[in-house]
Amino acid sequence: AQTVTQSQPEMSVQEAETVTLSCTYDTSESDYYLFWYKQPPSRQMILVIRQEAYKQQNATENRFSVNFQKAAKSFSLKISDSQLGDAAMYFCAYSGGSNYKLTFGKGTLLTVNP
Amino acid sequence: DAGITQSPRHKVTETGTPVTLRCHQTENHRYMYWYRQDPGHGLRLIHYSYGVKDTDKGEVSDGYSVSRSKTEDFLLTLESATSSQTSVYFCAISIQGGVDGYTFGSGTRLTVV
Repeated sequence: AQTVTQSQPEMSVQEAETVTLSCTYDTSESDYYLFWYKQPPSRQMILVIRQEAYKQQNATENRFSVNFQKAAKSFSLKISDSQLGDAAMYFCAYSGGSNYKLTFGKGTLLTVNP
Repeated sequence: DAGITQSPRHKVTETGTPVTLRCHQTENHRYMYWYRQDPGHGLRLIHYSYGVKDTDKGEVSDGYSVSRSKTEDFLLTLESATSSQTSVYFCAISIQGGVDGYTFGSGTRLTVV
């Protein structure tokens, strides 16, 4: 079974600084998809960014970007110019092959300090 | 917002009683999912559906059942609620299964006393 590991239960960053959240995954699939979700205190799950494994180029969405290292099975999220509204729980997720479902990591709680 | 709603938003129930949570979508998406979220565990899949009357178990399905008689509704039933089922339950929908990611409902906080 695929597993997703987020090794940092908590992280903190100063406002306007950059922070990187780590994620590793285990799979034998060659074709898969990776995601980062944000969960603010409102509890709503929000898709931040998506990466297709067959694409070499790292995905970017405004201040959010990923460092996708396929050989190392690593998928880290970089948040630039951190804002107070970025404070949230962040989940890394994996979907592989034709299994139609996402496997989530345990999450990283990000605190943004003013 | 995507058309997915969960009801109720909060519920307190007693041990041993049956409980049904409802997920309703207006997007006509094929795939629907139920997850539970617990501190230190992230989100874990309970059951999912890939079409009307087509459902399958996830990693934590014991004590839960589901039904999908219409495209838009996916019901999760706790047959006899236990305190270990106190959790936040999320429903999610997807067009292409795991390929496009999910759109989530707002969650149901269930407390079993």
